[in-house]
Amino acid sequence: AQKITQTQPGMFVQEKEAVTLDCTYDTSDQSYGLFWYKQPSSGEMIFLIYQGSYDEQNATEGRYSLNFQKARKSANLVISASQLGDSAMYFCAMRVLNFGNEKLTFGTGTRLTIIP
Amino acid sequence: DAGVIQSPRHEVTEMGQEVTLRCKPISGHDYLFWYRQTMMRGLELLIYFNNNVPIDDSGMPEDRFSAKMPNASFSTLKIQPSEPRDSAVYFCASRGGQILRETQYFGPGTRLLVL
Repeated sequence: AQKITQTQPGMFVQEKEAVTLDCTYDTSDQSYGLFWYKQPSSGEMIFLIYQGSYDEQNATEGRYSLNFQKARKSANLVISASQLGDSAMYFCAMRVLNFGNEKLTFGTGTRLTIIP
Repeated sequence: DAGVIQSPRHEVTEMGQEVTLRCKPISGHDYLFWYRQTMMRGLELLIYFNNNVPIDDSGMPEDRFSAKMPNASFSTLKIQPSEPRDSAVYFCASRGGQILRETQYFGPGTRLLVL
């Protein structure tokens, strides 16, 4: 079975500082995808960044980067130069294929609050 | 381009009533997913379709829940009869492509409250 663990229920970070949100995963599959989504207070789920299990380089999307350590099964999200608008829930997710069926498993999320 | 569209955005109903949630995926996407989000259970996949065909409905909680996708641009999730424990935010998501890295894009969600 697949499992995503986010150990930080909440974080407070000063504006303009960098922040790292932790995510570890567990799967026996060799091929999988890792995603981060942002959920602001308005409720929508916004895709941020993707990392494939065979990607050799860490993914980057603007201020977002994914610190992928395959041997440790971790996929931490790094946000550089945090902004007030970054305050939201952040979910790590993993996708695998089980007998042709797609399964996207989400972590419990981390609530990030940026302090002015 | 329009994203995933869901309606209604909010629904308040009484226990026992039928509830129908609607979703229009992104044009050209051939995968459609229904999720439910609650404080207790987080985000759960209920069912997903590929080319309008249900592929995996193992997450549907019970027979009171049903989902259909009559065409590539429309899907419904129906709860009949509704119960207070069905109160949650229901998300629809879609994606294109046949490979693992294709991203699921979520709609704004329908916030359901069953009294």
